[in-house]
Amino acid sequence: GAVVSQHPSRVICKSGTSVKIECRSLDFQATTMFWYRQFPKKSLMLMATSNEGSKATYEQGVEKDKFLINHASLTLSTLTVTSAHPEDSSFYICSARTESGYYGYTFGSGTRLTVV
Amino acid sequence: AQKVTQAQTEISVVEKEDVTLDCVYETRDTTYYLFWYKQPPSGELVFLIRRNSFDEQNEISGRYSWNFQKSTSSFNFTITASQVVDSAVYFCALSANTNAGKSTFGDGTTLTVKP
Repeated sequence: GAVVSQHPSRVICKSGTSVKIECRSLDFQATTMFWYRQFPKKSLMLMATSNEGSKATYEQGVEKDKFLINHASLTLSTLTVTSAHPEDSSFYICSARTESGYYGYTFGSGTRLTVV
Repeated sequence: AQKVTQAQTEISVVEKEDVTLDCVYETRDTTYYLFWYKQPPSGELVFLIRRNSFDEQNEISGRYSWNFQKSTSSFNFTITASQVVDSAVYFCALSANTNAGKSTFGDGTTLTVKP
C-alpha cells in the first residue's frame, strides 16, 4: 500500500514554456503532499507543502509564481513550472502522507526536467 | 531548526567489504522520525528504514543494519558484505512528528562498490 505515482518521469521543454508534473496517491488519500527539488549530486530541498483544498505553503526562497502547486483532490497534486528556463532544469520529486497514518517515506519516482 | 549531516561525501569499497555510512542529526523536537533512503542512478528514492525517536533498538535487515544512538544524535547505517548493486547515493533524513512527511535531508553519501 501507500503508492505514489509521479508523471512524467522525464520531460524536455523549450525555454519559455510551462510544464506540469503530476503526483498521485494510488491507494490512499493524501491530504498533504510535499514537493522537493534535487540539483545534480545534491540533497533534496523541500520546495513546498501542498494541502488539499487550500493554498500551498512555500519554503523561503521558492518563487510562488514560478512553481504553481494545485492540490484539487485527495489523490492528486500538480506542480507547474511556468515560463521555464534552463536554470529550472532539475529532478523534482513528491511525497505524500495520509490522514490516518504516517507515510512520510512514500515518495514518487521523480521527474527529470530539462529545459532547452 | 533541523539539520542532518552526512559527513562522508563519497565512499568507495571493494565488493564483500563492510561499510558504514554516518548520519548525525540536530533537532529540538522530542518526538521525531529518522529515515534512510537509497537513490540508485535511475533516480527514484527507495525507502530503507524509519525509526522513531523513542525506539533506540538497533535493527538488522539482511545485510543492512542500523545503529541509533540518541546520546550522540547519530543514526548510522552499515552494509555487510557489500555488493556492486549497493552502489547508490544514500540519504539520511529527519522529520518532526508534527510535520509528518516533511523531511530534512542530509547531503547524501555516494557509495561505490567495486567488483
